[in-house]
Amino acid sequence: EVQLLESGGKLVQPGGSLRLSCVASGYTFTNYAMAWVRQSPGKGLEWVSSISGSGDRISYADSVKGRFSISSDTSKNTLYLQMNNLRAEDTATYYCAKKILGSNPFDDWGQGTLVTVSS
Amino acid sequence: EIVMTQSPATLSVSPGERATLSCRASQTVYSNLAWYQQKPGQAPRLLVYGAFNRATGVPPRFSGSGSGTDFTLTISSLQSEDSAVYYCQQYDRWPLTFGGGTKAEIK
Repeated sequence: EVQLLESGGKLVQPGGSLRLSCVASGYTFTNYAMAWVRQSPGKGLEWVSSISGSGDRISYADSVKGRFSISSDTSKNTLYLQMNNLRAEDTATYYCAKKILGSNPFDDWGQGTLVTVSS
Repeated sequence: EIVMTQSPATLSVSPGERATLSCRASQTVYSNLAWYQQKPGQAPRLLVYGAFNRATGVPPRFSGSGSGTDFTLTISSLQSEDSAVYYCQQYDRWPLTFGGGTKAEIK
């Protein structure tokens, strides 16, 4: 059974930094691309960033480009999202999601971790 | 960026009736279209990908259709557990984009 467990979300001040983690289990981590998707309170879904299973292909939404950095540690089966220069509009539940083999839909999701950016 | 527009915003259907949800892309996404279901307090769940392929474990009452710019998710006989928000997502071009969602309510 695939399991994705996010952690690291908390209250942070504007301009601050935070690193989210997502530990994956139940499948071969390097075979599947992964992504971060966020959801502001009461709002819809927004794709944030994706990384290939090998880690050599990365994409970002324009809203986070230059501030967020996605990475993975294959020895720990863990996906990361380093978030710098946080803004109030980054407040959201952040989900890690596993992509379908060879494609972009997300077939497994974590439970989410809440990031609140406020002074 | 491809803009995904879903309609209606809210859908109220009696149990056992058919529910039809629409999704329109601002430009063609071919068949690179997925549907997700999200219940309150839960993560989204993949229902359909490739416009019409049901994901593993999804009941056959859920079906997807369409291609190009116009897509439909049909729930043939709405059950109480289908009360949720449904999102479409295009994955033909970066950035990946989602529609604003349709909330399906049980009458």
